[in-house]
Amino acid sequence: DADVTQTPRNRITKTGKRIMLECSQTKGHDRMYWYRQDPGLGLRLIYYSFDVKDINKGEISDGYSVSRQAQAKFSLSLESAIPNQTALYFCATSEGTGAGYTFGSGTRLTVV
Amino acid sequence: EDQVTQSPEALRLQEGESSSLNCSYTVSGLRGLFWYRQDPGKGPEFLFTLYSAGEEKEKERLKATLTKKESFLHITAPKPEDSATYLCAVQAWGAQKLVFGQGTRLTINP
Repeated sequence: DADVTQTPRNRITKTGKRIMLECSQTKGHDRMYWYRQDPGLGLRLIYYSFDVKDINKGEISDGYSVSRQAQAKFSLSLESAIPNQTALYFCATSEGTGAGYTFGSGTRLTVV
Repeated sequence: EDQVTQSPEALRLQEGESSSLNCSYTVSGLRGLFWYRQDPGKGPEFLFTLYSAGEEKEKERLKATLTKKESFLHITAPKPEDSATYLCAVQAWGAQKLVFGQGTRLTINP
């Protein structure tokens, strides 16, 4: 099994729908992150969490929310999806500051 | 504001033709510089972390080097399986996130 598992792998949804992307990890890391990747814009941080009671906004958090249900689980929600949220979404974990990230395989989200 | 610029955007090489990818960065005190490899449809895979100028790390045909302003990823005698997008990221002291460059898409032709 993968260290960081994201579900679903692909999703097509309609404008205005609420959608949740899920992430679970077996690394035992406290730190978890959600990034989105767009062509020409690179990876941008949406939210991050350093433990179950710690949630922080990243650079592009508007229109998104997160929930850290357990050390191993971190989900991302789009409250009312819009077409410009069409992107590749990655969850990542890290052991601590200065440590590399372990990424999941991503969720390709299309909002029509 | 911390910034990372990678060049070139895309690079095509013949198998066995060595070259280098560049990552220029501006950061308020470098905590670490990271290199990742990303295959199409997959998440980035961690390659190296460099912490201080002059440091070098190697893995198979890849060698990463670091100066105070930039990092190079040298690829020696590449093979088609080295084809991927290579991402560079930096983390500043006191920052909680990595700042990524846009990547270099490398294609190795047999």
